[in-house]
Amino acid sequence: DIQMTQSPSTLSASVGDRVTITCRASQSISDWLAWYQQKPGKAPNLLIYKASSLESGVPSRFSGSGSGTEFTLTISSLQPDDFATYYCQQYNSYSTFGPGTKVDIK
Amino acid sequence: QVQLVESGGGVVQPGGSLRLSCAASGFTFNMYGLHWVRQAPGKGLKWVAFIRYDGSDKFYADSVKGRFTISRDNSKNTLYLQMNSLRAEDTAVYYCAKQKKTYTGVHPFDYWGQGSLVTVSS
Repeated sequence: DIQMTQSPSTLSASVGDRVTITCRASQSISDWLAWYQQKPGKAPNLLIYKASSLESGVPSRFSGSGSGTEFTLTISSLQPDDFATYYCQQYNSYSTFGPGTKVDIK
Repeated sequence: QVQLVESGGGVVQPGGSLRLSCAASGFTFNMYGLHWVRQAPGKGLKWVAFIRYDGSDKFYADSVKGRFTISRDNSKNTLYLQMNSLRAEDTAVYYCAKQKKTYTGVHPFDYWGQGSLVTVSS
């Protein structure tokens, strides 16, 4: 099974900050990686797929990069609506989610 | 608009059974693979099971293999999760999710239901 890790587990930031979250896979998954945002009590929302493709309707301040085993999600200028938990997901072999990164207010 | 509506959650004793349903609308149901994902209280997302668009293949997480069964009825636009031999650690909100792309393969999930809470407790 493919294991996913994320760092950091929690990130404290301010509005306007550039934020980067890292996701690592236990083996190569090519670019079969997605990122989701989840707010408390709500279902996750797809942000990025195929490592770097922006889902329709997602603000362009979100971007993704990477391939193989190391990936990043970047928020170029953090907005109030972006305080949430972010999960990476591999879909190279069925599906596995990372443990999540909570972005909270500094 | 795409809608996924789960039902069937509730409180069940350890060792018991429960069947979740996910009623879908707003898309051509028989063209998309579907998944169940769960989230224990205060914890992260865990993938549970996948079924191909035509029901011909099903895959499960190791933690539920042999106890849970995913199925679908394409004539009713409904996805199911039969959960047997339930354990306390199965307590979670269960989400159904639709894949972004049609037909074969596993793809990211572009629509999710609102979730259905399953509590396993005596």
